[in-house]
Amino acid sequence: NAGVTQTPKFQVLKTGQSMTLQCAQDMNHEYMSWYRQDPGMGLRLIHYSVGAGITDQGEVPNGYNVSRSTTEDFPLRLLSAAPSQTSVYFCASRTGGGNTIYFGEGSWLTVV
Amino acid sequence: GQQLNQSPQSMFIQEGEDVSMNCTSSSIFNTWLWYKQDPGEGPVLLIALYKAGELTSNGRLTAQFGITRKDSFLNISASIPSDVGIYFCAGSISGGSNYKLTFGKGTLLTVNP
Repeated sequence: NAGVTQTPKFQVLKTGQSMTLQCAQDMNHEYMSWYRQDPGMGLRLIHYSVGAGITDQGEVPNGYNVSRSTTEDFPLRLLSAAPSQTSVYFCASRTGGGNTIYFGEGSWLTVV
Repeated sequence: GQQLNQSPQSMFIQEGEDVSMNCTSSSIFNTWLWYKQDPGEGPVLLIALYKAGELTSNGRLTAQFGITRKDSFLNISASIPSDVGIYFCAGSISGGSNYKLTFGKGTLLTVNP
């Protein structure tokens, strides 16, 4: 089982560049989300989606866009990267009625 | 917003020792989850708790959902080197489409062989 798959694993960006972090899940989960993890801050919710075509903001949405055109995919876009977006990003998913979230392996992003 | 306080922030123990960590919340949760994160990996679910007072074990791990619904603890017995990692608690107040997890800031566990 692939579970939740994130790409790329590592990325270095220059300030102002744009990029997309890809996330795919093969478990037919309705709910998908993106978190960022920073030292001493734990995991903070960026955006989430409760189903295809539906997205909403989490705790720290500024500087990020998302879309959910299919159940399987939930890409996270940085339109103009800033050093403050240097972080580890995790995609996660769960079933609509489930209470447990399954995480991808993470994407390490550095903005210089 | 909800606040989750996880303690201790870090622990350095000898192999074979027992470990205890806990989380307290400023508000009631109806689900508590405990995750472990190995270096360079994503968090992996260890134990899920759904009822106040519930005590659940997973091998050497035991977790409890506090009676007040505002706290939870995780115990690890007879620690081994592979227990090293960051342990996160997480809580939620509702299921369905309004479900959002609030995470603690983690407990870094180091086990000295």
